[in-house]
Amino acid sequence: AQRVTQPEKLLSVFKGAPVELKCNYSYSGSPELFWYVQYSRQRLQLLLRHISRESIKGFTADLNKGETSFHLKKPFAQEEDSAMYYCALSVNDMRFGAGTRLTVKP
Amino acid sequence: EAEVAQSPRYKITEKSQAVAFWCDPISGHATLYWYRQILGQGPELLVQFQDESVVDDSQLPKDRFSAERLKGVDSTLKIQPAELGDSAMYLCASSLGGPSGYTGELFFGEGSRLTVL
Repeated sequence: AQRVTQPEKLLSVFKGAPVELKCNYSYSGSPELFWYVQYSRQRLQLLLRHISRESIKGFTADLNKGETSFHLKKPFAQEEDSAMYYCALSVNDMRFGAGTRLTVKP
Repeated sequence: EAEVAQSPRYKITEKSQAVAFWCDPISGHATLYWYRQILGQGPELLVQFQDESVVDDSQLPKDRFSAERLKGVDSTLKIQPAELGDSAMYLCASSLGGPSGYTGELFFGEGSRLTVL
């Protein structure tokens, strides 16, 4: 069965520092992976998807099939990046990890 | 901008009572999802609809939970009887769906927070 693991519940960095939110998945086929974000008092929303190979708000994520990982990275964190981040895996349905709360301190 | 609507936003009930949540997806979205999110955890899929048909309800506790999407538009999730462990946020989401429409982007509602006393 497919599963998503986000090993860090909490992550705190200072503004301007690099940030990496970890995501590992278990699935034997070719996965479709996503990062969703929930800012304070807002709805859960899509941040980026691996097939698009896009950078959204300075964030990128690379799929590493060998390590079954899809870590989210940003070289210079901003205070407005503080939010809850969820990694998600889509096979027949969308499965979410437990989430990582990122806090960017001034 | 079109949004997924959910009601009620908050519901407090006593155990053994019946509870119902309503969701109106974005117009034209064929796929509708109900997720349950327990505090400190990620959303857990309960049921997925494609139009009016259930695609996946393998995680739905069918002894007490039911869901319907009769006309393939809005949907209702019911719990009867509610138990203490059902306290959670119930999220509805919709997506375009279908082989040509699915992009992996789910649009979420604000959720319905249930507290069972």
